[in-house]
Amino acid sequence: EDKVVQSPLSLVVHEGDTVTLNCSYEVTNFRSLLWYKQEKKAPTFLFMLTSSGIEKKSGRLSSILDKKELSSILNITATQTGDSAIHLCAVGGGGATNKLIFGTGTLLAVQP
Amino acid sequence: DAGVIQSPRHEVTEMGQEVTLRCKPISGHDYLFWYRQTMMRGLELLIYFNNNVPIDDSGMPEDRFSAKMPNASFSTLKIQPSEPRDSAVYFCASSFRAGTNTGELFFGEGSRLTVL
Repeated sequence: EDKVVQSPLSLVVHEGDTVTLNCSYEVTNFRSLLWYKQEKKAPTFLFMLTSSGIEKKSGRLSSILDKKELSSILNITATQTGDSAIHLCAVGGGGATNKLIFGTGTLLAVQP
Repeated sequence: DAGVIQSPRHEVTEMGQEVTLRCKPISGHDYLFWYRQTMMRGLELLIYFNNNVPIDDSGMPEDRFSAKMPNASFSTLKIQPSEPRDSAVYFCASSFRAGTNTGELFFGEGSRLTVL
């Protein structure tokens, strides 16, 4: 069965800390891995990764994919209270085109 | 573009009642997805459509759940009869598949369903 596992399940840090969120997957016909951020409402897109070893960056956020290890990490440096959210990892594949399988997410709380 | 539009935003109903959730995808997107989110199970894919045709409904929990997409701009998810364990946030999302990679999903604001 296809699955996506995220760790830790939750994390509490202080502003200014650096955090690393993990995502591992077992998905047939892997196509891509996506990171989303969910605050109070709908998930919003952060990154899409398709190739191993190529880091994607957006401001204080960065992510990298390791296809050999079937995993990805999301790094957030100099965390701010606005980073508090559920961070979701999703993998495209599962034997069908354009199907995204989500992990349960990591709940990040950044304290002032 | 207004994004993916879902209605209602909140629904409170009693066990046994029929519930219909609605979704208007982003114009031009050829994929539409229905997800359910709970604290225990996270985001679960229920069903998805490509060009209005259901492709994979293996995530639909029971016969009580049904989904339709009569045209490119409208989809419904129906639960009949509803049960308390159906209480969740139901998200609709749409995407456009470019090339061989999975396209980014754009989510609606969700419909929060509470079944008493």
